[in-house]
Amino acid sequence: AQSVTQLGSHVSVSEGALVLLRCNYSSSVPPYLFWYVQYPNQGLQLLLKYTSAATLVKGINGFEAEFKKSETSFHLTKPSAHMSDAAEYFCAVSAARVYSGGYNKLIFGAGTRLAVHP
Amino acid sequence: DTGVSQDPRHKITKRGQNVTFRCDPISEHNRLYWYRQTLGQGPEFLTYFQNEAQLEKSRLLSDRFSAERPKGSFSTLEIQRTEQGDSAMYLCASSHPGPDSGANVLTFGAGSRLTVL
Repeated sequence: AQSVTQLGSHVSVSEGALVLLRCNYSSSVPPYLFWYVQYPNQGLQLLLKYTSAATLVKGINGFEAEFKKSETSFHLTKPSAHMSDAAEYFCAVSAARVYSGGYNKLIFGAGTRLAVHP
Repeated sequence: DTGVSQDPRHKITKRGQNVTFRCDPISEHNRLYWYRQTLGQGPEFLTYFQNEAQLEKSRLLSDRFSAERPKGSFSTLEIQRTEQGDSAMYLCASSHPGPDSGANVLTFGAGSRLTVL
């Protein structure tokens, strides 16, 4: 079965500092992994996804994530935090069934709330 | 592309009442998902539709919950005899069909927040 663990329910950084949000996954098959961001009163927005191509994935708003199979990790980073990055971030693994007409059932972690202070 | 629309955005109801949420997916997306998100938790899968067919239901979806997608376009999620434990954000998402389903991106709506008093 697929699962995701996000270490740290709250992370606080200074504006301009490195952002590191941790995600570890468990999967019985080579995983597809996603990071989504949720701003207050809004839906989830895709930041980036890993689908077994390059292990370093670049996303929107300057975020990137590196897939490390040996560590079963897919941590999200951004070199320099902006105030506008304050939001909740969710890591997810796909539990897609491999058959004709399959669909993408995502299993989410509990989320990490990022606070950015001046 | 107007995105995924959900209505209402907020619903306050008394325990025992029935509520219905509506989701309008992106028009060319034939795949539609419902998730539930409680405070401090990530979204949890509830059910999936491909066109009008409901192909999977989570064990979280008790017999008080019913979802439909009658013409393969919009979907409704009804909760009968609401309980306080049903208070949550109900999220709808849709996706485009593709050869590699696991890579398909789910586009989420803003959600319908339910408060049961």
